[in-house]
Amino acid sequence: DAGVIQSPRHEVTEMGQEVTLRCKPISGHDYLFWYRQTMMRGLELLIYFNNNVPIDDSGMPEDRFSAKMPNASFSTLKIQPSEPRDSAVYFCASSLSGRYNEQFFGPGTRLTVL
Amino acid sequence: KNQVEQSPQSLIILEGKNCTLQCNYTVSPFSNLRWYKQDTGRGPVSLTIMTFSENTKSNGRYTATLDADTKQSSLHITASQLSDSASYICVVRGGTNAGKSTFGDGTTLTVKP
Repeated sequence: DAGVIQSPRHEVTEMGQEVTLRCKPISGHDYLFWYRQTMMRGLELLIYFNNNVPIDDSGMPEDRFSAKMPNASFSTLKIQPSEPRDSAVYFCASSLSGRYNEQFFGPGTRLTVL
Repeated sequence: KNQVEQSPQSLIILEGKNCTLQCNYTVSPFSNLRWYKQDTGRGPVSLTIMTFSENTKSNGRYTATLDADTKQSSLHITASQLSDSASYICVVRGGTNAGKSTFGDGTTLTVKP
């Protein structure tokens, strides 16, 4: 298995532009997580899905952020409009339900908003 | 509020030396505790998982301990190598939201030759 796949790996955009980050989870996994990581705040859970349904989006910072999971093999995280403070590394992770469900992380997308 | 606190924030050791990283948590009810290693520029990778009934678990040169009574865990690294340089993140699963985990801020370990 190729693991969790994220694209793009790097994104540089200007303030006010729309940004879309993409994630393909490991086949068969039924949980998908979106995280944001910065030096100041560490890893923060933004939202997670179970069987394509958003379960907890309390970590989404504001209405500019939205996430979708139209099917079991694809998810997007959209920021519109983007702001410089959104600059961070965004990780997608997936796991299989169960008592010991290990989260497998993708390589991350480094977002820079100028 | 569910919290996970790690110490020290950063640590520098010489190659071949041992070190211990600490993790204290307030997550309740407790399900499990996992240590992740995150190399620079990469996503975190699980090292070991501890459940309520486990006191110690080893994975090569990594040994994790758990004291569920005091809500403390440690990660001991033996005979450190340059490749151990990374951030080590303690993650506790539990609380009222079954699918959610609480992440610590991590300890940045630097191993010098």
